[in-house]
Amino acid sequence: LAKTTQPISMDSYEGQEVNITCSHNNIATNDYITWYQQFPSQGPRFIIQGYKTKVTNEVASLFIPADRKSSTLSLPRVSLSDTAVYYCLVGEWDNDMRFGAGTRLTVKP
Amino acid sequence: GAVVSQHPSRVICKSGTSVKIECRSLDFQATTMFWYRQFPKQSLMLMATSNEGSKATYEQGVEKDKFLINHASLTLSTLTVTSAHPEDSSFYICSASAGVSSGELFFGEGSRLTVL
Repeated sequence: LAKTTQPISMDSYEGQEVNITCSHNNIATNDYITWYQQFPSQGPRFIIQGYKTKVTNEVASLFIPADRKSSTLSLPRVSLSDTAVYYCLVGEWDNDMRFGAGTRLTVKP
Repeated sequence: GAVVSQHPSRVICKSGTSVKIECRSLDFQATTMFWYRQFPKQSLMLMATSNEGSKATYEQGVEKDKFLINHASLTLSTLTVTSAHPEDSSFYICSASAGVSSGELFFGEGSRLTVL
């Protein structure tokens, strides 16, 4: 099981870049790293996924070092609507889909 | 992206009754579905993993006779909370995997169960 560790909470201001790091020291060879966003009383929403190096999409970037023991989600120019809990999930498609505690991001005006 | 739908989104029931929650993958075939429960201000806790046509694999501490999971088709899984009690009140979320190697999960909207 690839257990994940994230900061419990982070604060930011509108317009700033936010970087959330997730540690997963015992990640397995076949594991992918996926980040999800969750608003209260909603199911998690996919943000980005990667296996190694850097991945970028329209909402975020994901940086994964060569040893893959950590990953960093980068949110450019956050807004108030980005206030949510962010989870990194490490695993394969059919098992180990367990969530860690997540990071509660609060964006302030 | 792929869509997973849960029903009902909210349900209130009396103690001792059973409640069924449905999870449907609307535009893809879900080889594997996961059920989670989430208490306020806490993370999602994996309850069980189910594969179409086979018995669900329950996480340690989750009573399989209380939380009945059926995954009868590639687009539908159900969670039945039997003889519900107030402590079963929670937010239940399902997710589905299309079985591709990347492991992306598609989540339902969640179902809030309140047991009186």
